[in-house]
Amino acid sequence: SAVISQKPSRDICQRGTSLTIQCQVDSQVTMMFWYRQQPGQSLTLIATANQGSEATYESGFVIDKFPISRPNLTFSTLTVSNMSPEDSSIYLCSVAQGAYTEAFFGQGTRLTVV
Amino acid sequence: DQQVKQNSPSLSVQEGRISILNCDYTNSMFDYFLWYKKYPAEGPTFLISISSIKDKNEDGRFTVFLNKSAKHLSLHIVPSQPGDSAVYFCAASAGEQFYGGATNKLIFGTGTLLAVQP
Repeated sequence: SAVISQKPSRDICQRGTSLTIQCQVDSQVTMMFWYRQQPGQSLTLIATANQGSEATYESGFVIDKFPISRPNLTFSTLTVSNMSPEDSSIYLCSVAQGAYTEAFFGQGTRLTVV
Repeated sequence: DQQVKQNSPSLSVQEGRISILNCDYTNSMFDYFLWYKKYPAEGPTFLISISSIKDKNEDGRFTVFLNKSAKHLSLHIVPSQPGDSAVYFCAASAGEQFYGGATNKLIFGTGTLLAVQP
């Protein structure tokens, strides 16, 4: 299994500002994903982070709001831009080595926007 | 449209008894299913998975059953222990056929809070 470190683990931010979340994996992984868990809700996939190219976003999520970088096979960042209170959620990084394999998750970043 | 559903938001079980958590899905393209356990302030922890070519997979105290015709899967925990108390999520993936390439995008259910009473 992969060890995934997310930073920061939590933050309280002012509306209108941006926060960048980092995800570091202890080994090279094929696939990296970003999920969001809103209060009392399930986990929802935001995007697939593609190495060296633009991320692939799910319906309802756009690059201008959630820009993602993945410069190599062990690191990715998610930025939550121009934040509003509705962005208050737990953001989770996930990795997998391929289809039909288990995905592993970081501990999450708990974001509160005030 | 919720493609993966867990209709029981909570379940309470006595220690030592069996816990049965259920999950239903609607997308017939799903062919790989997983169960995760999540404690507060932590990321989900992988428990067990099953491919659609199987109807049962067992790992220690955890067994997952898949009924493709009913689009239903269940997680059995026996015997249940107080440390099993957490939120359990089922998740589904459509693998390569649906997305046209190797991927492991997961669609999660809404979760079931399991409380194992000592």
